[in-house]
Amino acid sequence: GAGVSQSPSNKVTEKGKDVELRCDPISGHTALYWYRQSLGQGLEFLIYFQGNSAPDKSGLPSDRFSAERTGGSVSTLTIQRTQQEDSAVYLCASSRGGLAGNNEQFFGPGTRLTVL
Amino acid sequence: GQQVMQIPQYQHVQEGEDFTTYCNSSTTLSNIQWYKQRPGGHPVFLIQLVKSGEVKKQKRLTFQFGEAKKNSSLHITATQTTDVGTYFCAVLANFGNEKLTFGTGTRLTIIP
Repeated sequence: GAGVSQSPSNKVTEKGKDVELRCDPISGHTALYWYRQSLGQGLEFLIYFQGNSAPDKSGLPSDRFSAERTGGSVSTLTIQRTQQEDSAVYLCASSRGGLAGNNEQFFGPGTRLTVL
Repeated sequence: GQQVMQIPQYQHVQEGEDFTTYCNSSTTLSNIQWYKQRPGGHPVFLIQLVKSGEVKKQKRLTFQFGEAKKNSSLHITATQTTDVGTYFCAVLANFGNEKLTFGTGTRLTIIP
């Protein structure tokens, strides 16, 4: 079946512009996660959704970052007034249920964001 | 916040040699997951360990969870070139908390 998809695969933007990243989770997966991975680094948790609600927003780096999920499916991560330090690969993952319930997490291919 | 140390950061081995990466936490973990990320790819889930002292095997890979649930290891026997990549552990600190904290990863390179 189809896996997690993300768009765009690459995004180059100028400093100060807003960007919107999209994630389509696996159908039926109620949990959705956003991570950021800088070059050669580990994954940094940003936010997760259970259905349409985001119980834990503590990982968002600043108030320039926001995310929403509608219909329990597609999610968008928005970065306003992008800065060069926002350059990274943004990864989305989905899970049938919560990770605390021992469910497996499936990652999308990521969006590589470059802020010039 | 939850922190997890992973060692070594890099490992270069001759093809056919064994490889081990370790993950350590200062706090008791509810579970631990292991992921593999090939160069240029995204993380792929390998396994999840939940029980104290648990040992699981997948072909040449052996995963262990410490008795105190504060450390874990991934051991690969007789490495092959297909094992190249970065191996991450990831932990949930508390039951019901969905924030997965990833280790820094161990990058494995194989010398043919």
